[in-house]
Amino acid sequence: AQSVAQPEDQVNVAEGNPLTVKCTYSVSGNPYLFWYVQYPNRGLQFLLKYITGDNLVKGSYGFEAEFNKSQTSFHLKKPSALVSDSALYFCAVRGYGGATNKLIFGTGTLLAVQP
Amino acid sequence: EADIYQTPRYLVIGTGKKITLECSQTMGHDKMYWYQQDPGMELHLIHYSYGVNSTEKGDLSSESTVSRIRTEHFPLTLESARPSHTSQYLCASNDGSGNTGELFFGEGSRLTVL
Repeated sequence: AQSVAQPEDQVNVAEGNPLTVKCTYSVSGNPYLFWYVQYPNRGLQFLLKYITGDNLVKGSYGFEAEFNKSQTSFHLKKPSALVSDSALYFCAVRGYGGATNKLIFGTGTLLAVQP
Repeated sequence: EADIYQTPRYLVIGTGKKITLECSQTMGHDKMYWYQQDPGMELHLIHYSYGVNSTEKGDLSSESTVSRIRTEHFPLTLESARPSHTSQYLCASNDGSGNTGELFFGEGSRLTVL
């Protein structure tokens, strides 16, 4: 069965410091991995995705994610956090089955960046 | 910004009322989805559609129903709302380009049933 785990409910980081939001996955075959961000009272916005190729993927707003096949991880990173990065972050993996393009989402990680 | 729109954004209604949450996209996407997001943040797929006249139940059982008469429109209906239906409902779509396409989400409809 396909699944994705975000082990941290919340991540706290000071502005200007690097941030990491963790994600691990389980999927049969090659994984297609995604990160989304959700600001309060808004829908989800796509940040970046890994399909194939370079393990380091760059996305919107200065975010990047590193695909690690041996550790089945896809952690989201940013070198210098901004207060405006405070939001809910979801990792997702493409599942297989009834919905050809169905995404399986993690439970979300709340990122809080302190000034 | 994605061209996918949800109305109403916020709705407060009494128990037993019939409600329809509207979702429209102007991107010509074949595949559309409804997710329910609990106060605890987790997203659950409740309905999806491959195209016109195609609808399927998702992973989470829901008393709501959907229809797909036009490509751009994917409304969700609750015939008789109950307090347990209080949640945020997110509509999404993608163009079905294999398994690699990302989803585009609407802004969500927050439903409160009193």
